[in-house]
Amino acid sequence: AQKITQTQPGMFVQEKEAVTLDCTYDTSDPSYGLFWYKQPSSGEMIFLIYQGSYDQQNATEGRYSLNFQKARKSANLVISASQLGDSAMYFCAMREITGGGNKLTFGTGTQLKVEL
Amino acid sequence: GAGVSQSPSNKVTEKGKDVELRCDPISGHTALYWYRQSLGQGLEFLIYFQGNSAPDKSGLPSDRFSAERTGGSVSTLTIQRTQQEDSAVYLCASSLRRGWGAEAFFGQGTRLTVV
Repeated sequence: AQKITQTQPGMFVQEKEAVTLDCTYDTSDPSYGLFWYKQPSSGEMIFLIYQGSYDQQNATEGRYSLNFQKARKSANLVISASQLGDSAMYFCAMREITGGGNKLTFGTGTQLKVEL
Repeated sequence: GAGVSQSPSNKVTEKGKDVELRCDPISGHTALYWYRQSLGQGLEFLIYFQGNSAPDKSGLPSDRFSAERTGGSVSTLTIQRTQQEDSAVYLCASSLRRGWGAEAFFGQGTRLTVV
């Protein structure tokens, strides 16, 4: 089974609108962390936001928020007021505590394109 | 340095040759990861180093791949007898803390092309 599933290979959004990128995960560990990264065409991986499994509130970082629904095992990224510079590949990732919390497992990504 | 540094940024090699990819993590970061990203794909975990602990090598695809980390800092990923399917971007990341909440900071990657 896939640890991280991103079902949207590509998304389009108009500038200034909000967009939600889906991510579901699979783990039996009670302790885990969820991450979102942005990868522009330049190739660098940019950390955006983190949610811990025990966090009571959804994480927010500026225009980014993480819609964490633990029972449904989903960790969707919401980008508000989209900008042209948000066009990039977005990866959801999870780190589990099993095995010492070593492996950060990534989904296959969602390509977001912001249009005028 | 200010960020994770990888060298070379690009490498073209002939099939069957050995290559070495270098990663300089952020100073003070005890954890170091190697990932591989094929064109248009997600990130494939290769290996993880944490301090002086034995590395997690569970992601290495074959015994042609190996990595070491000297002095808890610089890491080298070595691919022996390269094959065309090894062509990919190899990304290195480091993190400050151990545990599930430690975000990883990535380098720019090394684009490896095996011809």
